[in-house]
Amino acid sequence: EDQVTQSPEALRLQEGESSSLNCSYTVSGLRGLFWYRQDPGKGPEFLFTLYSAGEEKEKERLKATLTKKESFLHITAPKPEDSATYLCAVQPYSGGSNYKLTFGKGTLLTVNP
Amino acid sequence: NAGVTQTPKFQVLKTGQSMTLQCAQDMNHEYMSWYRQDPGMGLRLIHYSVGAGITDQGEVPNGYNVSRSTTEDFPLRLLSAAPSQTSVYFCASSYSKGGRITGELFFGEGSRLTVL
Repeated sequence: EDQVTQSPEALRLQEGESSSLNCSYTVSGLRGLFWYRQDPGKGPEFLFTLYSAGEEKEKERLKATLTKKESFLHITAPKPEDSATYLCAVQPYSGGSNYKLTFGKGTLLTVNP
Repeated sequence: NAGVTQTPKFQVLKTGQSMTLQCAQDMNHEYMSWYRQDPGMGLRLIHYSVGAGITDQGEVPNGYNVSRSTTEDFPLRLLSAAPSQTSVYFCASSYSKGGRITGELFFGEGSRLTVL
C-alpha cells in the first residue's frame, strides 16, 4: 500500500525566514511525485511534478527536490501570501494503480508579517 | 476559463436522503475523479474515470455511485446519506501525456456536505 507522510503538520514562520517541508513516501515504483497548494475553502492547486531522484523544480520562492525516499519543498524568504496548506501526492507506476494518487495530510504553513 | 465546476457548494441532508454532486470540466480531460477531504485524513479517492463509459473504484467507494456518459461530466451520487459522509468533496480532472494520465490534477472549488 502506498503511503505519504508529511512533516511538520504545521509550521509558523516569520516573513523572510526560510525553511523546508518534508514529504516521505513509500510506493511500488514511483511514476511521479506532486506538490499542491491549498488555500482555505478552495481546491488544491498544482505546483510541481518530480519524476526521478535528483530532480529539482523552482517557482518563485519555492523549490521542490526529490530523493528515492522523500521530497522537500524549500521556501526561501517567504511572504505572508505563501501561507497555505501544502500537499504532497505520489502516483505509482504499476498498471491500473497509476490512476490512483495517494495524498499526504498536508503541512499548514503560516507566514507572519 | 471555467476549468472544473462543482455544484452545489454547500448542501445539508438528512440521514437516508439521496443526492447528486455535479462536476463538469471544459478542458477535454480524459481523467476525472472524486475525492473527499476530512480533517486529519487528507484527500481520499472515492471513484475515478479514464473516459466516457469507464469508471472504477478508489480507496473509499462504499455508499457512492458514479457514471460517465460524456467527457465533460462526472456526477457523484450518494444513495442513502449517512453522517459519516459529512465531508468536503472535490472533483478533479487531468489529461494524458505520452499515453498516460498525469498526476497534474485540476480541482474544483469543492462541495461541502453535512449529513444530519
